[in-house]
Amino acid sequence: EAQVTQNPRYLITVTGKKLTVTCSQNMNHEYMSWYRQDPGLGLRQIYYSMNVEVTDKGDVPEGYKVSRKEKRNFPLILESPSPNQTSLYFCASRRRGQFNQPQHFGDGTRLSIL
Amino acid sequence: QQQVKQSPQSLIVQKGGIPIINCAYENTAFDYFPWYQQFPGKGPALLIAIRPDVSEKKEGRFTISFNKSAKQFSLHIMDSQPGDSATYFCAASITQGAQKLVFGQGTRLTINP
Repeated sequence: EAQVTQNPRYLITVTGKKLTVTCSQNMNHEYMSWYRQDPGLGLRQIYYSMNVEVTDKGDVPEGYKVSRKEKRNFPLILESPSPNQTSLYFCASRRRGQFNQPQHFGDGTRLSIL
Repeated sequence: QQQVKQSPQSLIVQKGGIPIINCAYENTAFDYFPWYQQFPGKGPALLIAIRPDVSEKKEGRFTISFNKSAKQFSLHIMDSQPGDSATYFCAASITQGAQKLVFGQGTRLTINP
């Protein structure tokens, strides 16, 4: 089954404690991205990657890091989380170069930073 | 600033009614306009999409209307059902380069039985 898998699904942690949210896709997609979803703001892109070792900032990259060492994985790293990063996070992937191919989203990771 | 503005924020409609969700954009370089549907606990899923060279697209009970001169597009759901209750997001993209999707704020739709 084609899917994007995020872990963990829920996490409550404290300010300053480094955390990583993993994202893995099994569709051999080149393009992967991370979004955060906040009420009244929709989904905003944090970082994206057009292929292995190629990453770039989205609209709200401050406080986040990413890496793309393998095609299937695109982890999101919060090195020093702060309460304003409390949000619902989504990883997505799609085939590169085909704009009308849908982005496949994971089921989300709800982060609470106390 | 929000490049794609979506309204209303929430909408309640009786079963069988026709909810309409509106979006407006500023960047005339956008050339791909998808709508995503999101159920609680799930990620968004593509519902229907349109290119600016057509004014309307229908897929089943879902219709996108597109007004290029006004830079507006809308989603209509015909014969709405309680199972259509979800959050809907419009989005816009430029199909060259990074093809980044820019989302609207979302509309929480409730269809009452």
